[in-house]
Amino acid sequence: QVQLVQSGAEVKDPGSSVKVSCKASGGTFTSYTFSWVRQAPGQGLEWMGRIIPILGITNYTHKFQGRVTITADKSTSTVYMGLSSLRSEDTAVYYCAIGWASTIRYFQSWGQGTLVSVSS
Amino acid sequence: EIVLTQSPGTLSLSPGDRATLSCRASQSVSENSLGWYQQKPGQAPRLLIYGVSNRATGIPDRFSGSGSGTDFTLTISRLEPEDFAVYYCQQYGSSPPYSFGQGTKLEIK
Repeated sequence: QVQLVQSGAEVKDPGSSVKVSCKASGGTFTSYTFSWVRQAPGQGLEWMGRIIPILGITNYTHKFQGRVTITADKSTSTVYMGLSSLRSEDTAVYYCAIGWASTIRYFQSWGQGTLVSVSS
Repeated sequence: EIVLTQSPGTLSLSPGDRATLSCRASQSVSENSLGWYQQKPGQAPRLLIYGVSNRATGIPDRFSGSGSGTDFTLTISRLEPEDFAVYYCQQYGSSPPYSFGQGTKLEIK
């Protein structure tokens, strides 16, 4: 079964950028579609976007368009989520999540989450 | 973008009770692309149900999903102590963006 391991917590200044990684192991990297979901403190889940590494296709929700970039490195089985122009409202736990096949759009495996704190 | 509205916001029940959680979509969800997740404090969400009514691997049969179109329900037939958590519905139609409901907190009465 695939496991997703994310990078560690980050503390960032307003206006800066962050890049969170998600490394997949135990499966075939190009079989998956990776999504990023965030959760602000005490709040619900918010889908941000996805990447299909085998096709190089990305989709982002309108709210984050222009600020978020999702990339994949097939050589290391790692997906990255970059978020720019950070503001305090971006303080959240960021999760990567996948379905166990490229056609599966629900999320069967999740990373452990990465806390990004934005504060001056 | 499809907006999902869950009700109630909080549900207070006792172990052994039956729980019924609702999820309503702002427009019809295509291809029965509706799932449910459970989240406990400090943990990532866990998939319970996909395709409206299919239990994910390892999910006990006291969890069941139903519905179609815009109205969906998650039912927990007899609550166990470990079932008290927050539950989210998610639609993952044929094209993104995907979306989650705001969650229902199931708490011990």
